[in-house]
Amino acid sequence: DAGITQSPRHKVTETGTPVTLRCHQTENHRYMYWYRQDPGHGLRLIHYSYGVKDTDKGEVSDGYSVSRSKTEDFLLTLESATSSQTSVYFCAISETTNEKLFFGSGTQLSVL
Amino acid sequence: SQQGEEDPQALSIQEGENATMNCSYKTSINNLQWYRQNSGRGLVHLILIRSNEREKHSGRLRVTLDTSKKSSSLLITASRAADTASYFCATHIDYKLSFGAGTTVTVRA
Repeated sequence: DAGITQSPRHKVTETGTPVTLRCHQTENHRYMYWYRQDPGHGLRLIHYSYGVKDTDKGEVSDGYSVSRSKTEDFLLTLESATSSQTSVYFCAISETTNEKLFFGSGTQLSVL
Repeated sequence: SQQGEEDPQALSIQEGENATMNCSYKTSINNLQWYRQNSGRGLVHLILIRSNEREKHSGRLRVTLDTSKKSSSLLITASRAADTASYFCATHIDYKLSFGAGTTVTVRA
């Protein structure tokens, strides 16, 4: 998967707890993205980063925050997990903005 | 909201047949991309076609783009069992890449 590692691969958590998902790349790509995938909705962008410490919101950013302190790592935090955040989360990277994205294997998150 | 919408939602074909799926979108695009997703895996980029291009080929894949109709098609020729997957179009508009809900293709042996 093009040098992208997501961790954990699976997580079950309780409503109200904070959760952090990690994306690590070895490709030195500038752009990194967090998407969520839900049945019938395709992929929806949560947040993206265009460089170290440079991030911006996507279309479904409420309840999520991100950080990028190093080129290779992009963290997604659910401040206080809710059942509506049960989803599969994908990290992606690209050399140029929004072109030819490489995706990680995903994190299946269940919020009970 | 989804910018690109694939049609049909699901497609079942015999091995060796061609598979065609379509993507329609609503506003002008920079480019349109097609991705494949095998069950339980991340998406894999297949092909990118820019707004000033009309057709592109990559192996057994052929993509067309009609900007006047705001639509694109993906043709997979001589399908194989390994082509069983979900296929997504993604439209690049301004600074955003929007994915459709996908077409699920099943290739029967």
